[in-house]
Amino acid sequence: KQEVTQIPAALSVPEGENLVLNCSFTDSAIYNLQWFRQDPGKGLTSLLLIQSSQREQTSGRLNASLDKSSGRSTLYIAASQPGDSATYLCAVPPGQGGKLIFGQGTELSVKP
Amino acid sequence: NAGVMQNPRHLVRRRGQEARLRCSPMKGHSHVYWYRQLPEEGLKFMVYLQKENIIDESGMPKERFSAEFPKEGPSILRIQQVVRGDSAAYFCASSLGQSGNQPQHFGDGTRLSIL
Repeated sequence: KQEVTQIPAALSVPEGENLVLNCSFTDSAIYNLQWFRQDPGKGLTSLLLIQSSQREQTSGRLNASLDKSSGRSTLYIAASQPGDSATYLCAVPPGQGGKLIFGQGTELSVKP
Repeated sequence: NAGVMQNPRHLVRRRGQEARLRCSPMKGHSHVYWYRQLPEEGLKFMVYLQKENIIDESGMPKERFSAEFPKEGPSILRIQQVVRGDSAAYFCASSLGQSGNQPQHFGDGTRLSIL
Protein backbone atom coordinates (compact mmCIF):
# COMPACT_ATOMS: atom_id res chain seq x y z
CA LYS A 1 0.00 0.00 0.00
CA GLN A 2 1.44 3.33 -1.06
CA GLU A 3 2.06 5.86 1.70
CA VAL A 4 3.29 9.41 1.18
CA THR A 5 5.05 11.39 3.90
CA GLN A 6 6.10 15.02 3.95
CA ILE A 7 8.64 16.47 6.33
CA PRO A 8 8.64 18.95 7.94
CA ALA A 9 4.97 19.56 8.70
CA ALA A 10 5.67 23.27 9.03
CA LEU A 11 8.52 25.55 8.05
CA SER A 12 9.15 29.23 8.69
CA VAL A 13 11.92 31.09 6.86
CA PRO A 14 12.92 34.71 6.30
CA GLU A 15 12.32 36.22 2.91
CA GLY A 16 15.05 35.57 0.37
CA GLU A 17 16.13 32.17 1.64
CA ASN A 18 16.38 29.12 -0.56
CA LEU A 19 14.50 26.17 0.88
CA VAL A 20 13.79 22.49 0.29
CA LEU A 21 10.58 20.60 0.97
CA ASN A 22 10.72 16.83 1.22
CA CYS A 23 8.36 14.10 0.07
CA SER A 24 8.87 10.36 0.47
CA PHE A 25 6.82 7.43 -0.78
CA THR A 26 6.93 3.77 0.16
CA ASP A 27 6.30 2.11 -3.22
CA SER A 28 8.80 3.15 -5.88
CA ALA A 29 6.63 1.84 -8.74
CA ILE A 30 5.09 5.21 -9.52
CA TYR A 31 4.17 6.72 -12.87
CA ASN A 32 4.65 10.30 -11.80
CA LEU A 33 4.72 12.63 -8.84
CA GLN A 34 2.87 15.90 -8.65
CA TRP A 35 3.52 18.93 -6.43
CA PHE A 36 0.67 21.25 -5.49
CA ARG A 37 0.21 24.45 -3.59
CA GLN A 38 -2.86 25.12 -1.42
CA ASP A 39 -3.69 28.56 -0.09
CA PRO A 40 -6.01 28.85 2.95
CA GLY A 41 -9.63 28.33 1.98
CA LYS A 42 -8.69 27.58 -1.60
CA GLY A 43 -8.24 24.61 -3.86
CA LEU A 44 -5.00 23.10 -5.05
CA THR A 45 -2.83 24.66 -7.71
CA SER A 46 -0.69 22.23 -9.70
CA LEU A 47 2.94 23.35 -9.63
CA LEU A 48 4.97 20.60 -11.26
CA LEU A 49 4.48 17.06 -12.51
CA ILE A 50 7.51 14.80 -12.85
CA GLN A 51 7.17 11.67 -14.93
CA SER A 52 8.80 8.53 -13.58
CA SER A 53 11.40 8.66 -16.37
CA GLN A 54 12.47 12.19 -15.41
CA ARG A 55 14.89 13.27 -12.71
CA GLU A 56 13.72 16.85 -12.34
CA GLN A 57 11.37 19.57 -13.54
CA THR A 58 11.73 23.32 -13.31
CA SER A 59 9.24 26.16 -13.37
CA GLY A 60 10.50 29.63 -12.57
CA ARG A 61 11.92 29.62 -9.04
CA LEU A 62 10.70 26.07 -8.42
CA ASN A 63 12.68 22.92 -9.07
CA ALA A 64 11.38 19.46 -8.28
CA SER A 65 13.55 16.36 -8.29
CA LEU A 66 12.60 12.71 -8.24
CA ASP A 67 14.63 9.70 -7.07
CA LYS A 68 12.42 6.67 -7.54
CA SER A 69 14.92 4.17 -6.19
CA SER A 70 15.07 5.89 -2.83
CA GLY A 71 11.40 6.86 -2.83
CA ARG A 72 12.04 10.58 -2.52
CA SER A 73 11.19 13.86 -4.15
CA THR A 74 12.24 17.36 -3.20
CA LEU A 75 10.78 20.73 -4.09
CA TYR A 76 13.39 23.48 -4.12
CA ILE A 77 12.18 27.07 -3.88
CA ALA A 78 14.77 29.71 -4.70
CA ALA A 79 14.77 33.22 -3.26
CA SER A 80 11.58 32.72 -1.25
CA GLN A 81 8.98 35.49 -1.08
CA PRO A 82 6.09 36.14 1.35
CA GLY A 83 3.73 35.24 -1.51
CA ASP A 84 5.14 31.71 -1.41
CA SER A 85 3.47 31.18 1.97
CA ALA A 86 1.06 28.29 1.56
CA THR A 87 0.75 24.56 2.17
CA TYR A 88 2.70 22.44 -0.29
CA LEU A 89 1.47 18.95 -1.08
CA CYS A 90 2.98 16.10 -3.02
CA ALA A 91 0.94 13.27 -4.49
CA VAL A 92 1.41 10.08 -6.47
CA PRO A 93 -1.00 7.87 -8.39
CA PRO A 94 -0.73 4.30 -7.09
CA GLY A 95 -1.20 2.86 -10.55
CA GLN A 96 -1.31 3.98 -14.13
CA GLY A 97 -4.12 6.34 -13.49
CA GLY A 98 -6.93 7.39 -11.29
CA LYS A 99 -6.66 8.51 -7.71
CA LEU A 100 -3.82 10.45 -6.17
CA ILE A 101 -2.40 9.61 -2.76
CA PHE A 102 -1.40 12.76 -0.94
CA GLY A 103 1.09 13.56 1.75
CA GLN A 104 -0.04 15.58 4.75
CA GLY A 105 1.63 18.71 3.37
CA THR A 106 4.24 21.18 4.55
CA GLU A 107 2.91 24.53 5.73
CA LEU A 108 5.39 27.17 4.61
CA SER A 109 5.57 30.65 6.06
CA VAL A 110 7.94 33.18 4.51
CA LYS A 111 8.47 36.18 6.79
CA PRO A 112 9.13 39.59 5.24
CA ASN B 1 -12.69 30.83 -16.71
CA ALA B 2 -11.39 27.57 -18.09
CA GLY B 3 -10.67 26.00 -14.71
CA VAL B 4 -12.54 23.37 -12.72
CA MET B 5 -15.73 24.93 -11.39
CA GLN B 6 -17.36 23.77 -8.20
CA ASN B 7 -20.57 25.00 -6.67
CA PRO B 8 -21.70 25.94 -4.23
CA ARG B 9 -18.54 27.24 -2.52
CA HIS B 10 -20.19 26.89 0.87
CA LEU B 11 -23.12 24.68 1.81
CA VAL B 12 -24.87 24.44 5.14
CA ARG B 13 -27.18 21.55 5.92
CA ARG B 14 -28.93 20.24 8.99
CA ARG B 15 -28.46 16.66 10.11
CA GLY B 16 -30.61 14.32 8.03
CA GLN B 17 -30.81 16.56 4.97
CA GLU B 18 -29.27 15.87 1.58
CA ALA B 19 -26.22 17.64 0.15
CA ARG B 20 -25.53 17.93 -3.57
CA LEU B 21 -22.14 19.13 -4.72
CA ARG B 22 -21.49 20.00 -8.35
CA CYS B 23 -18.34 19.95 -10.41
CA SER B 24 -17.77 21.08 -13.99
CA PRO B 25 -14.41 19.84 -15.27
CA MET B 26 -12.02 21.83 -17.38
CA LYS B 27 -13.01 22.06 -21.01
CA GLY B 28 -12.06 18.90 -22.85
CA HIS B 29 -11.46 16.87 -19.68
CA SER B 30 -13.42 13.66 -19.36
CA HIS B 31 -11.85 12.32 -16.14
CA VAL B 32 -13.23 13.58 -12.83
CA TYR B 33 -12.06 12.84 -9.29
CA TRP B 34 -13.59 13.71 -5.93
CA TYR B 35 -11.52 14.15 -2.76
CA ARG B 36 -12.43 15.03 0.82
CA GLN B 37 -10.35 17.07 3.22
CA LEU B 38 -11.40 16.69 6.84
CA PRO B 39 -10.28 19.26 9.41
CA GLU B 40 -6.65 18.67 10.35
CA GLU B 41 -6.39 15.78 7.89
CA GLY B 42 -4.97 15.40 4.44
CA LEU B 43 -6.77 14.99 1.17
CA LYS B 44 -8.37 11.58 0.74
CA PHE B 45 -9.56 10.13 -2.55
CA MET B 46 -13.23 9.27 -2.81
CA VAL B 47 -14.20 8.39 -6.38
CA TYR B 48 -12.97 8.52 -9.98
CA LEU B 49 -15.41 8.85 -12.88
CA GLN B 50 -15.42 9.15 -16.60
CA LYS B 51 -18.48 10.14 -18.59
CA GLU B 52 -21.36 7.92 -17.43
CA ASN B 53 -19.01 5.46 -15.71
CA ILE B 54 -17.63 5.01 -12.22
CA ILE B 55 -14.06 3.78 -12.60
CA ASP B 56 -12.92 3.59 -8.97
CA GLU B 57 -15.07 4.18 -5.90
CA SER B 58 -12.73 2.57 -3.39
CA GLY B 59 -12.66 5.72 -1.24
CA MET B 60 -16.40 6.23 -1.02
CA PRO B 61 -18.21 5.40 2.22
CA LYS B 62 -20.45 2.42 1.61
CA GLU B 63 -23.62 4.17 2.66
CA ARG B 64 -25.22 7.57 1.98
CA PHE B 65 -22.64 8.70 -0.60
CA SER B 66 -23.03 8.46 -4.37
CA ALA B 67 -21.50 10.11 -7.41
CA GLU B 68 -22.35 10.48 -11.05
CA PHE B 69 -20.95 12.09 -14.18
CA PRO B 70 -23.70 12.12 -16.78
CA LYS B 71 -23.22 12.46 -20.51
CA GLU B 72 -24.42 16.03 -20.27
CA GLY B 73 -23.88 18.36 -17.33
CA PRO B 74 -21.64 18.45 -14.29
CA SER B 75 -20.50 15.67 -12.03
CA ILE B 76 -22.56 15.41 -8.85
CA LEU B 77 -21.48 14.15 -5.44
CA ARG B 78 -24.56 13.38 -3.38
CA ILE B 79 -24.62 12.82 0.36
CA GLN B 80 -27.90 11.61 1.84
CA GLN B 81 -28.95 11.99 5.48
CA VAL B 82 -25.90 14.06 6.37
CA VAL B 83 -24.27 13.74 9.78
CA ARG B 84 -21.87 16.06 11.65
CA GLY B 85 -18.91 13.96 10.55
CA ASP B 86 -19.59 14.84 6.91
CA SER B 87 -18.46 18.41 7.58
CA ALA B 88 -15.40 18.86 5.37
CA ALA B 89 -14.06 20.48 2.24
CA TYR B 90 -14.89 18.48 -0.87
CA PHE B 91 -12.63 18.98 -3.87
CA CYS B 92 -13.15 17.99 -7.45
CA ALA B 93 -10.33 17.52 -9.93
CA SER B 94 -10.25 16.77 -13.63
CA SER B 95 -7.66 15.52 -16.08
CA LEU B 96 -7.35 15.15 -19.82
CA GLY B 97 -6.37 11.50 -19.50
CA GLN B 98 -5.50 9.07 -16.77
CA SER B 99 -3.34 10.69 -14.10
CA GLY B 100 -0.49 8.36 -14.96
CA ASN B 101 0.64 10.88 -17.54
CA GLN B 102 -1.68 13.85 -17.11
CA PRO B 103 -1.84 16.30 -14.21
CA GLN B 104 -5.00 16.68 -12.19
CA HIS B 105 -6.40 20.20 -11.92
CA PHE B 106 -8.45 21.10 -8.88
CA GLY B 107 -11.42 23.34 -8.21
CA ASP B 108 -11.68 25.64 -5.19
CA GLY B 109 -13.82 23.13 -3.32
CA THR B 110 -17.18 23.09 -1.56
CA ARG B 111 -17.06 23.60 2.17
CA LEU B 112 -19.87 21.61 3.73
CA SER B 113 -21.02 22.44 7.23
CA ILE B 114 -23.53 20.29 9.08
CA LEU B 115 -25.52 21.91 11.86
